[in-house]
Amino acid sequence: ETGVTQSPTHLIKTRGQQVTLRCSSQSGHNTVSWYQQALGQGPQFIFQYYREEENGRGNFPPRFSGLQFPNYSSELNVNALELDDSALYLCASSLAGHQPQHFGDGTRLSIL
Amino acid sequence: KNEVEQSPQNLTAQEGEFITINCSYSVGISALHWLQQHPGGGIVSLFMLSSGKKKHGRLIATINIQEKHSSLHITASHPRDSAVYICAVRSGGGSQGNLIFGKGTKLSVKP
Repeated sequence: ETGVTQSPTHLIKTRGQQVTLRCSSQSGHNTVSWYQQALGQGPQFIFQYYREEENGRGNFPPRFSGLQFPNYSSELNVNALELDDSALYLCASSLAGHQPQHFGDGTRLSIL
Repeated sequence: KNEVEQSPQNLTAQEGEFITINCSYSVGISALHWLQQHPGGGIVSLFMLSSGKKKHGRLIATINIQEKHSSLHITASHPRDSAVYICAVRSGGGSQGNLIFGKGTKLSVKP
């Protein structure tokens, strides 16, 4: 059984740039959730995708957007990067209606 | 005030000690999770609770729905238990992804 994998593991960008983070869900899972974890804080819910549709969103601006593909893998896109976007971005997959979520190791994004 | 509060923020213990981490929440929930996060960032789900008590190896998790409180206990602690332990709740409504997380408790177990 393949777990949740995220790429890249680390990324450095500058203010104003755009970034795409990728997540492959665990085999058999059709739901992907994205979280942002700032240093020293707990993760914050960004949004969730279920069967290629957004299925819930946290308190993040529209420049945070996502996609889910037919194979249930997912992308998180962030436009017009700001310094405060520096964080660990976590992806978690699950089978809708079942818990718990299975987390990837995250992508650490640094904005200079 | 955060909807999920954990205590203590930091905890240092000697190998073999019994450890308790507490979590209080202020919202109605359908489930509470205890998660473990190692320095590399990856998160492992330890328990999901909606009532009572669960045990897995040296780990025990309890929840009191009336008091809106949960505890994670580690018996016979070991240096490999050193990690950040995070409490997260799923509120009664909304998408299943809408977990609300505490800030975590950083545990360091010394040999």
